Amino acid sequence: AQSVTQPDIHITVSEGASLELRCNYSYGATPYLFWYVQSPGQGLQLLLKYFSGDTLVQGIKGFEAEFKRSQSSFNLRKPSVHWSDAAEYFCAVGPNTDKLIFGTGTRLQVFP
Amino acid sequence: GAVVSQHPSWVICKSGTSVKIECRSLDFQATTMFWYRQFPKQSLMLMATSNEGSKATYEQGVEKDKFLINHASLTLSTLTVTSAHPEDSSFYICSARDLVRLNTEAFFGQGTRLTVV
Repeated sequence: AQSVTQPDIHITVSEGASLELRCNYSYGATPYLFWYVQSPGQGLQLLLKYFSGDTLVQGIKGFEAEFKRSQSSFNLRKPSVHWSDAAEYFCAVGPNTDKLIFGTGTRLQVFP
Repeated sequence: GAVVSQHPSWVICKSGTSVKIECRSLDFQATTMFWYRQFPKQSLMLMATSNEGSKATYEQGVEKDKFLINHASLTLSTLTVTSAHPEDSSFYICSARDLVRLNTEAFFGQGTRLTVV
């Protein structure tokens, strides 16, 4: 079955610390991969996406993610977290850009 | 960038009434829009695919008669929750794909929080 797993429900980091949010997927073929961020009561903002090519993708707000086919993973990283990064982060996969399957999300809390 | 607007942002309605949510692509045309539902502290689940000029395609377990979808133009899709009940209270989000830029991601609206009392 197709699925996305975000093992960490809640992560707390100090401002300035590095961050890695995990995402593992189960999919029949090479999927399109996405990371979205959602602030409370807001819609989704795309952070970055992977369709093909270089497996290390750069996104907005200083985020990056690496696609590792052998591990079926697409972890999100940021070298130095800012307080404004506190939000819910969703990993998603799909056969293309449509009909996305979302993970359950990781809530990021940032302490000053 | 492409903008998708949802209206209203939030709505409170009485049990048994119907509520219409609009999803508009403001600066691009979309033959296909998607409706998702998000329960509190849960992920988004695809409800249906809205196709301009034709019937929507619903995901398994989603009641077609309860969640009416109309995609009458290339920039507007509507979701009507009929005879709403408290269990329909949720966050509804739409996304739309640019007709011209086919290999780009779908763009999400800001969502509509529905509370049924």
